[in-house]
Amino acid sequence: EDQVTQSPEALRLQEGESSSLNCSYTVSGLRGLFWYRQDPGKGPEFLFTLYSAGEEKEKERLKATLTKKESFLHITAPKPEDSATYLCAVQANSGYALNFGKGTSLLVTP
Amino acid sequence: NAGVTQTPKFQVLKTGQSMTLQCAQDMNHEYMSWYRQDPGMGLRLIHYSVGAGITDQGEVPNGYNVSRSTTEDFPLRLLSAAPSQTSVYFCASSYDGGANEQFFGPGTRLTVL
Repeated sequence: EDQVTQSPEALRLQEGESSSLNCSYTVSGLRGLFWYRQDPGKGPEFLFTLYSAGEEKEKERLKATLTKKESFLHITAPKPEDSATYLCAVQANSGYALNFGKGTSLLVTP
Repeated sequence: NAGVTQTPKFQVLKTGQSMTLQCAQDMNHEYMSWYRQDPGMGLRLIHYSVGAGITDQGEVPNGYNVSRSTTEDFPLRLLSAAPSQTSVYFCASSYDGGANEQFFGPGTRLTVL
């Protein structure tokens, strides 16, 4: 059974204090690993798709990396507007469903 | 493009009532899906469709029906609402359901009393 575990559940950072969010996964044949950002009361907003181990993608202060067992979302010099819940999901080769983790709630204070 | 739209934004039902959550997309996407999001749990797939006339069950389909008569619309029907269906519902679409971006709607917050 596919499984996605995100850690930590919550993270509080000072503005400018870099850190990483973790997504550990098990899946029978990875088609893609997805990162989404979700603001309160809104739908998830797509950030990245990673397809194979060793792949990296960047967008502004965010960088996502992928190994065979986990993915990291690195946040460099975060700003208060980066505060949100970050969701990780995997899609198996065998189907269409995205299997989501419970998310990491990030708060960046000035 | 409006993207993925959902109506209503909020809804309160009494146990046993029925209703339809509407979802529409204007991106000509073949794949559409419904998720529910509950506190302390990840998003869970209810039903999905890979094209007009084709639907299938996800992880938590009981108590919900769907149909896909057009590419644009994918309504979710609650036949007899139960308190356990209190949740936030999200509709999503993507080009073909493969490993490409899934666009999510703004959500419908449903409370069943």
